[in-house]
Amino acid sequence: AQSVAQPEDQVNVAEGNPLTVKCTYSVSGNPYLFWYVQYPNRGLQFLLKYITGDNLVKGSYGFEAEFNKSQTSFHLKKPSALVSDSALYFCAVRDIPNDYKLSFGAGTTVTVRA
Amino acid sequence: DAGVTQSPTHLIKTRGQQVTLRCSPKSGHDTVSWYQQALGQGPQFIFQYYEEEERQRGNFPDRFSGHQFPNYSSELNVNALLLGDSALYLCASQTGNQPQHFGDGTRLSIL
Repeated sequence: AQSVAQPEDQVNVAEGNPLTVKCTYSVSGNPYLFWYVQYPNRGLQFLLKYITGDNLVKGSYGFEAEFNKSQTSFHLKKPSALVSDSALYFCAVRDIPNDYKLSFGAGTTVTVRA
Repeated sequence: DAGVTQSPTHLIKTRGQQVTLRCSPKSGHDTVSWYQQALGQGPQFIFQYYEEEERQRGNFPDRFSGHQFPNYSSELNVNALLLGDSALYLCASQTGNQPQHFGDGTRLSIL
């Protein structure tokens, strides 16, 4: 079975400060990891993915994420947050080769104050 | 290039009724997945269709069924609606192991 935990319901940061959104996962095979963002009344928008290779992956809008196999974590980071980054962020995992589905965390609401 | 499109955007039904939701995948995508997102929760996987067959199913009752057509578009059908079926229903498409791309969803409200 696969699962994702996002331990923080909410993250609040000031504009210009670093932003980190935490994610840990559990899979029986190999993880294929994703971050998505959701704005109000919209679907999920893909930010970045990790399947293999460099542990630091770069994605859209200046976001990056660090894969840590020993800690089974995949934290999302942005060096300098913008007010427009305020949204709901979801971490997801696919257990390769056992599953086709994505399993999502409960989400983290990010608020960036001006 | 149109992304994933879903229809309708909003729907109101009463308990016991049946509903059909529709999804057109992003151009070039051949695989469609459906998710249910209840208020304040992450999306939950319902099922995935590939080559017009249900390839994997999540933990949802048989009241939830689907179909994929030769043009890769898909339908989600829910019978005997319950109050608990009120949610945002998301369709996602992909090809191969590429990331899933999501539509904006159908907001289903059950009265």
